[in-house]
Amino acid sequence: EAGVAQSPRYKIIEKRQSVAFWCNPISGHATLYWYQQILGQGPKLLIQFQNNGVVDDSQLPKDRFSAERLKGVDSTLKIQPAKLEDSAVYLCASSLERNQPQHFGDGTRLSIL
Amino acid sequence: GESVGLHLPTLSVQEGDNSIINCAYSNSASDYFIWYKQESGKGPQFIIDIRSNMDKRQGQRVTVLLNKTVKHLSLQIAATQPGDSAVYFCAESSGYSTLTFGKGTMLLVSP
Repeated sequence: EAGVAQSPRYKIIEKRQSVAFWCNPISGHATLYWYQQILGQGPKLLIQFQNNGVVDDSQLPKDRFSAERLKGVDSTLKIQPAKLEDSAVYLCASSLERNQPQHFGDGTRLSIL
Repeated sequence: GESVGLHLPTLSVQEGDNSIINCAYSNSASDYFIWYKQESGKGPQFIIDIRSNMDKRQGQRVTVLLNKTVKHLSLQIAATQPGDSAVYFCAESSGYSTLTFGKGTMLLVSP
């Protein structure tokens, strides 16, 4: 089966600019997750969707980050405005249902200048 | 949730040896545990998972052991190969809560 698709693979922007990432989960997976992974650390959950509804966004910096999954399939994550500390890899994952193994895409590496 | 940690940040082994990567967790309510392998430039790759009603689960060349008494999880890799070199993460959750990842252990396999 096709895995989780993410684009772009790399993005370089200046601070205070905006950026968007796209994710297409594995077909049929109801649950979609966005993680932030800072170099040398484990992934940290930003937001979790169940179909097109938000289940957990408690760790999402809502003043600058937003995410949507309007039709319950693909999803976008946006940062506006970006800060230097947002430099990280943004990973998308999906699972068949909650509390099932999550399968990850290869992420978008974001560098803020 | 509470944090998950690893004892060894780097593990170096020879090709053909067995590797053991350890993980301690602190949330006694955790009931689902999962190991991921992450190679440079790639996303975490699912290796094996285990639920709290089991204490051992085996896959192809990998075994996960769960000791709920001391809140300890380990990943054993048999006949380690150079292709096993990567960072390994354990993660845990309780009920339908989200996964909490540890910091990771780097496994280096020498030919």
